[in-house]
Amino acid sequence: KAGVTQTPRYLIKTRGQQVTLSCSPISGHRSVSWYQQTPGQGLQFLFEYFSETQRNKGNFPGRFSGRQFSNSRSEMNVSTLELGDSALYLCASSIAGQNTGELFFGEGSRLTVL
Amino acid sequence: TQLLEQSPQFLSIQEGENLTVYCNSSSVFSSLQWYRQEPGEGPVLLVTVVTGGEVKKLKRLTFQFGDARKDSSLHITAAQPGDTGLYLCAGDKSGTYKYIFGTGTRLKVLA
Repeated sequence: KAGVTQTPRYLIKTRGQQVTLSCSPISGHRSVSWYQQTPGQGLQFLFEYFSETQRNKGNFPGRFSGRQFSNSRSEMNVSTLELGDSALYLCASSIAGQNTGELFFGEGSRLTVL
Repeated sequence: TQLLEQSPQFLSIQEGENLTVYCNSSSVFSSLQWYRQEPGEGPVLLVTVVTGGEVKKLKRLTFQFGDARKDSSLHITAAQPGDTGLYLCAGDKSGTYKYIFGTGTRLKVLA
């Protein structure tokens, strides 16, 4: 079956702009989590959605937001981009949510902020 | 504050050597997972351990969960170039329902 699909794979933005990233989970998976990966901080948890509800949120500013649609697809948005937002953004899906089993990751969206 | 510290941070070894990667925390975890991430890809699950003292083997990889469920180790026997990648541990801190990822160990196995 198809894996987790993230779009776009690469994008370049300038400071102050906003960006929207998309994630399509594996069919049947209802939980979608988002992570930010940087060389200095590693994988940092952003938020998790289950059945269109945000269940968990990491320690990121309000510029980072997300949502989940009825078909389990998820989007995350970053507004007023800063240089430090340059990172690989990873989406992971699971059947019922974190701590219940395997997280299946997409290949990520690599964001560069100039 | 990073709850899961991995060591070493970087490791470069020759093919055929053995190695151990450590994942340590002062917190107790309900379960702990190990992932491997290759360049340009997302992490892929290797194993999940849930019982203190548990040992799991996956071919040349041996995983152990500490008795107190605060630490874990990954031992690779006779490393091969295909083992090259970023190894990440991830813990489910009791009651939080979210995985915390470790700082990562970047392994390079030279042929």
